[in-house]
Amino acid sequence: DIEMTQSPSSLSASVGDRVTITCRASQGIRNDLAWYQQKPGKAPERLVYAAYLLQSGVPSRFSGSGSGTEFTLTIRSLQPEDFATYYCLQHNGYPWTFGQGTKVEI
Amino acid sequence: EVQLVETGGNLIQPEGSLRLSCAASGFTVSDNYMTWVRQAPGKGLEWVSLIYSAGTTYYADSVKGRFSMSRDNSKNTVYLLMNSLRAEDTAVYYCVRDLVGYDNTWGPGTLVTVSS
Repeated sequence: DIEMTQSPSSLSASVGDRVTITCRASQGIRNDLAWYQQKPGKAPERLVYAAYLLQSGVPSRFSGSGSGTEFTLTIRSLQPEDFATYYCLQHNGYPWTFGQGTKVEI
Repeated sequence: EVQLVETGGNLIQPEGSLRLSCAASGFTVSDNYMTWVRQAPGKGLEWVSLIYSAGTTYYADSVKGRFSMSRDNSKNTVYLLMNSLRAEDTAVYYCVRDLVGYDNTWGPGTLVTVSS
């Protein structure tokens, strides 16, 4: 199975900060990676697919990059509504696997 | 409007069985691949199973041999039959359309609690 190691597990940030979250795959997964945002009590919402393509309607302050084994999600200027938990998901090999999540807190 | 609604979550005793349903509207489930994702209380997301348009299914190692995903095209509904339930299967189960593609849609989830 492909293991996804996400870091950090949590971070504290302020409005306006630049935030970077990393996911590392245990083996190469090309660009078969997506990023999701989840707010408490809500279903997740996808932000990025194919490692760098922004889902329609997602603000441009979000961006994804990487290929192979290392991927990043960057929030250019953190907004109050961005405080949430973020997950990566690899879909290169079965079973698909999520990272452990990164909680972005004030 | 595209919508997914999960039902069937309940309190069930260990070793029991439960079937979750996911009714779709606004699109045809047989034209898409559908996925179940679960989240244990206070924990992260876990991919559970997937069914492709052709009917091929895949499962997480943790549920393989115990869970079975299927589809009823006439009802535009997908199912997750869960057997030999364990305490660690306690979670909110989400039904998801096109998890990694353009038309990603999540249902609100249904809670399964496995406890005696």
